[in-house]
Amino acid sequence: GAVVSQHPSWVICKSGTSVKIECRSLDFQATTMFWYRQFPKQSLMLMATSNEGSKATYEQGVEKDKFLINHASLTLSTLTVTSAHPEDSSFYICSAWDTAYEQYFGPGTRLTVT
Amino acid sequence: AQTVTQSQPEMSVQEAETVTLSCTYDTSENNYYLFWYKQPPSRQMILVIRQEAYKQQNATENRFSVNFQKAAKSFSLKISDSQLGDTAMYFCAFMKTGGGNKLTFGTGTQLKVEL
Repeated sequence: GAVVSQHPSWVICKSGTSVKIECRSLDFQATTMFWYRQFPKQSLMLMATSNEGSKATYEQGVEKDKFLINHASLTLSTLTVTSAHPEDSSFYICSAWDTAYEQYFGPGTRLTVT
Repeated sequence: AQTVTQSQPEMSVQEAETVTLSCTYDTSENNYYLFWYKQPPSRQMILVIRQEAYKQQNATENRFSVNFQKAAKSFSLKISDSQLGDTAMYFCAFMKTGGGNKLTFGTGTQLKVEL
């Protein structure tokens, strides 16, 4: 099956700094990728839809200026958490659909803001 | 908007036994897909099974099968011959056709398979 990778798998940053998370589709092209946030023992919450070559579409309640998404190519989307604060600490997961109409998820990135 | 409800936060089953996880959903759409995803302790989301709403036949994948009741808006997952590796969080998810491929997830059921 298709593979989606994320980097880094775990990042610790200080409050007020920015951190970038990469999501790559390794063996297929993805015009659309999705970014989710997951708190411990909770479900996945869709944050935004990342569209190659255009602006991301954010879900209601998600701060677009805090969570910057860039879909630079058909295999790469990045999520930048700007001016991170401890409440931004969470598990971030990306996903992408391949042509077989199946969604593949990345392994996730644990963000800890101190 | 669609909602997905999983009323069982936690379940346990003995190895080799059968367990059924419940899922109900609410939608006004007629064309959609339903999914069960597994999230083991590694937190990697894995697709377990998929059901197209227009198909009356219940989907099956080896030890995993669903009971899809469209009129009742119910989509339960049956795991037969449970194995220790089935221990995971299971999420039911809904996707409407032509909706930009967005998934709506339920709250999840933590399944523990015991010896």
